[in-house]
Amino acid sequence: DAGITQSPRHKVTETGTPVTLRCHQTENHRYMYWYRQDPGHGLRLIHYSYGVKDTDKGEVSDGYSVSRSKTEDFLLTLESATSSQTSVYFCAISGSGYPSYNEQFFGPGTRLTVL
Amino acid sequence: KNEVEQSPQNLTAQEGEFITINCSYSVGISALHWLQQHPGGGIVSLFMLSSGKKKHGRLIATINIQEKHSSLHITASHPRDSAVYICAVRGETSGSRLTFGEGTQLTVNP
Repeated sequence: DAGITQSPRHKVTETGTPVTLRCHQTENHRYMYWYRQDPGHGLRLIHYSYGVKDTDKGEVSDGYSVSRSKTEDFLLTLESATSSQTSVYFCAISGSGYPSYNEQFFGPGTRLTVL
Repeated sequence: KNEVEQSPQNLTAQEGEFITINCSYSVGISALHWLQQHPGGGIVSLFMLSSGKKKHGRLIATINIQEKHSSLHITASHPRDSAVYICAVRGETSGSRLTFGEGTQLTVNP
């Protein structure tokens, strides 16, 4: 295992409330990613980070923000949760070691339900 | 049309059968990944390849760069192979980012 955890693992919240999901790694990987997984879609990139304080948008970034203040933590925030953000969220990491530098390792996922 | 297309979407096999899952993509790539998602939801990387063929146990992955196509084969399938298999590509201009197919749900019956 690549030493990657997500918290919380399950969350139920109400529309309009803020939500923060945390991804924590112990492997010193450079890159970190947040994906969402929904039926009928493949994994879709929300935001990613290529270093401390360096982040960029993915293909479904609207309604989400991220922060990475230290190498090991990547936070995903839903400022005002909507029902369309009900999904399973995966964090992934890459960018350490050879030959696996470009291989992505995934966290266990967070199931978020917005009522 | 999605950048990454997998077929079939669903596949049911009997234990012992040879299984093939296909992946086609429409962009130039620097690498293609095959991943497995267990029924409990965990995702693990199976292969990362940019040419030729790789083998690990009963799993074989091949890629044809000119035809923009990859296949994942499972020999002597077993019920524990039941999972979703996901193809993903790293585009030539995408840096470290991956684009994923929707996955193939494989069920192997005893």
